[in-house]
Amino acid sequence: DAMVIQNPRYQVTQFGKPVTLSCSQTLNHNVMYWYQQKSSQAPKLLFHYYDKDFNNEADTPDNFQSRRPNTSFCFLDIRSPGLGDAAMYLCATSRDRWGETQYFGPGTRLLVL
Amino acid sequence: GENVEQHPSTLSVQEGDSAVIKCTYSDSASNYFPWYKQELGKGPQLIIDIRSNVGEKKDQRIAVTLNKTAKHFSLHITETQPEDSAVYFCAARDDYKLSFGAGTTVTVRA
Repeated sequence: DAMVIQNPRYQVTQFGKPVTLSCSQTLNHNVMYWYQQKSSQAPKLLFHYYDKDFNNEADTPDNFQSRRPNTSFCFLDIRSPGLGDAAMYLCATSRDRWGETQYFGPGTRLLVL
Repeated sequence: GENVEQHPSTLSVQEGDSAVIKCTYSDSASNYFPWYKQELGKGPQLIIDIRSNVGEKKDQRIAVTLNKTAKHFSLHITETQPEDSAVYFCAARDDYKLSFGAGTTVTVRA
């Protein structure tokens, strides 16, 4: 059974056109993370929610925003995608913020034209 | 912040042979070390993890060892099979954040 679900799996957008990626989880975990992974690179943490508390990484561009309307869902909004934002976007969850395993979803591949 | 180095970047092994990937970390406060396997076009999948109060952990053909004094940890895959071909990432947890190594592309030759 899928535990971390991401939709869509592939997203094509135009340069500058806002796009939203979705993540849901059936684990009832408190923490949800968004990572960006470019080709042949390690995942890079953008931000995470600990319950409703939003935590942005210092080097995450302002172009990236996130919403978590409830425990199960989290969204990644890219306000004005540039060509450099083309990447795999990974959602992950963990039960708590410290000492807990992170479980990743299958990812959304974003293409910017 | 934590810095994780991973070697080698690519590894080609004959089916049935063993594969070893090594990682070093910089922050002595790190206390959790997971290993992820990522197949092409998919998200990372946790395959094994180890906490700092344990020196070794094994799960069937996969084992991880941790040397806290030297600040390095290793993944060992025995009796490799074609389905072991993937990119493997090590990581170290620093506070809430996972710091990943750059990844190792493992190819198992039939």
